[in-house]
Amino acid sequence: QVQLVQSGAEVEKPGASVKISCKASGYTFISHYIHWVRQAPGQGPEWMGAINPRGSTTSYAQNFQGRVTMTRDTSTSTVYMELSSLRSEDTAVYYCVRGGPEYPFNFWGQGTLVTVSS
Amino acid sequence: DIQMTQSPSSLSASVGDRVTITCRASQGISSYLAWFQQKPGKAPKSLIYAASTLQSGVPSKFSGSASGTDFTLTISSLQPEDFATYYCLQYNSMPYTFGQGTKLEIK
Repeated sequence: QVQLVQSGAEVEKPGASVKISCKASGYTFISHYIHWVRQAPGQGPEWMGAINPRGSTTSYAQNFQGRVTMTRDTSTSTVYMELSSLRSEDTAVYYCVRGGPEYPFNFWGQGTLVTVSS
Repeated sequence: DIQMTQSPSSLSASVGDRVTITCRASQGISSYLAWFQQKPGKAPKSLIYAASTLQSGVPSKFSGSASGTDFTLTISSLQPEDFATYYCLQYNSMPYTFGQGTKLEIK
């Protein structure tokens, strides 16, 4: 069965960076984009960007350009999302989500809570 | 970027009712529209993709339709477990964008 398992909660200080992992299993890793979506407390989901594990090409939302980096390791079927220059507004739950073509957005990681606080 | 305007932002309904939620795209997105249900403390759950295709295991009480740049989620015969927040997502072109959400509450 398809599973996306994320790394655990993080607490970071303003200005620091955080790197979250998302390990995929149950399907051919390079066949599906992995998207990152975050959700701040009481807010709706926000699409951050995506990575194509086949060629490692990425696309980032303008809001995160220059601060986000998505990478992948095909040997372990793992995708990473690093967000730098953290500020309090980055406190949120971060999700990795499998894209299409089959059943797009049907498989989500369990979420990783990132808390930015001095 | 494509803007998704979702309405209403909140909706009060009774068990057994039928409700409709709408998302309007700021430009054409073909049928690249998904609907999600979210309950507190949980990840969004995908209900529909390609505007009208039910995800595996989603009951047929949920249905989606499209007309140009207007997309509709209809939920029939509301049950207590259906009261949640619903979001649309356009995935025609990056950056993908979510609607603002509709909170469905029990009347």
